[in-house]
Amino acid sequence: DIQMTQSPSSLSASVGERVTITCRASRSIATYLNWYQQKPGKAPKLLIHAAFILQSGVPSRFRGGGSETDFSLNISSLQPEDFATYYCQQSYSSLYTFGQGTKLEIK
Amino acid sequence: QVQLQESGPGLVKPSETLSLTCIVSGGSVRSGSYYWSWVRQSPGKGLEWIGNIDYSGHTTYDSSVDGRVTISLDTSQNRFSLKLHSVTAADTAVYFCARDVCDGGNCDDSLLSWFDPWGQGILVTVSS
Repeated sequence: DIQMTQSPSSLSASVGERVTITCRASRSIATYLNWYQQKPGKAPKLLIHAAFILQSGVPSRFRGGGSETDFSLNISSLQPEDFATYYCQQSYSSLYTFGQGTKLEIK
Repeated sequence: QVQLQESGPGLVKPSETLSLTCIVSGGSVRSGSYYWSWVRQSPGKGLEWIGNIDYSGHTTYDSSVDGRVTISLDTSQNRFSLKLHSVTAADTAVYFCARDVCDGGNCDDSLLSWFDPWGQGILVTVSS
């Protein structure tokens, strides 16, 4: 199985700050990498697919990047509604795997 | 707009079979553009993909549950189902169903896919 490792596991930041979450794959996955946002008690929501393609309706302050084994999710100016847990997920292998999640909290 | 809704018992006894159904509305499970997946989340933990099924009934299961899991498709009712056998307390989780969208609209030709949308999730507790 392809292991996905996110860092950090948790992050405290203030409204208006810029944050970066990283995701590393145990082997190359090209750009077959998706990002999701999950709020407490809710289902995950797709933010970005194919490493950098923003899902329709997702604010442009979210930006994805990377390829092969190293990926990032950048949020350029945090808004109150962005405080949530973020997960990366690979589809390069037919056995999909998620990162362990990054919990973004208000400082 | 496609919507997914999980249903099933919220409590299952150890060693028994967990059975859940996902009803799909606003779209067809017979489309070759999608797989249909189950994902679970243990309390306070991360997301774990369980497996998926395509329009032809071909299934793929995660190695962590392979041998205990069956995913099936009911095209007449436009739904798909999950059965997890011989459950233990470790199977207690919120179970989500999700549409697995294939890049380019053809799952036979693409590795790239993503989950969208998701059902709201259903908590299943394994306890006697």
